[in-house]
Amino acid sequence: GAVVSQHPSRVICKSGTSVKIECRSLDFQATTMFWYRQFPKQSLMLMATSNEGSKATYEQGVEKDKFLINHASLTLSTLTVTSAHPEDSSFYICSARDILGQGRETQYFGPGTRLLVL
Amino acid sequence: AQKITQTQPGMFVQEKEAVTLDCTYDTSDQSYGLFWYKQPSSGEMIFLIYQGSYDEQNATEGRYSLNFQKARKSANLVISASQLGDSAMYFCAIVTGGGNKLTFGTGTQLKVEL
Repeated sequence: GAVVSQHPSRVICKSGTSVKIECRSLDFQATTMFWYRQFPKQSLMLMATSNEGSKATYEQGVEKDKFLINHASLTLSTLTVTSAHPEDSSFYICSARDILGQGRETQYFGPGTRLLVL
Repeated sequence: AQKITQTQPGMFVQEKEAVTLDCTYDTSDQSYGLFWYKQPSSGEMIFLIYQGSYDEQNATEGRYSLNFQKARKSANLVISASQLGDSAMYFCAIVTGGGNKLTFGTGTQLKVEL
């Protein structure tokens, strides 16, 4: 299947600082990428849909000024957690749409980024 | 709105045996896709198998097969000949109509034992 990378894999930062997470599709172009958040032992929660060349679409309850998304190219989307606080500590995972064949699509996921805000 | 229900928080299976992970879904759309993903302790989400609502045959991918029962709105994952490396969290998900958002279930933690 398609390969999606994320960087960094882990990050520890101080409260009040901003953290940028990169999501790249390595062997395909992705006009649409997705950002999820996952708390321990819970399911994935969609935060926003990242569209290349246009503004991201945020899910209800997700602060767009807090979680800045930029999809500058067909292979790169970035999520910036601004003025991070301890409650932002979580596992952030991105995905990118790709074709399965026969008109079908799926989402391939990156390895995730564990954020710890002290 | 669509919903995925996974009623088994945890499952245990012995190595080399088959195991079925349950998934039921709820949607009013006639066109939808069902997915299963595996999430090992490392955190990455690994795509396993896809079933389209109009597919007449059950999807199969190696040791993974999807028991699709449309009338019951169920899409159970069957893993044959379980291996220790199959121990992970398994999520069922759905995409409906022309949308592209995945709705996930709460997951089932599978533990394969010797």
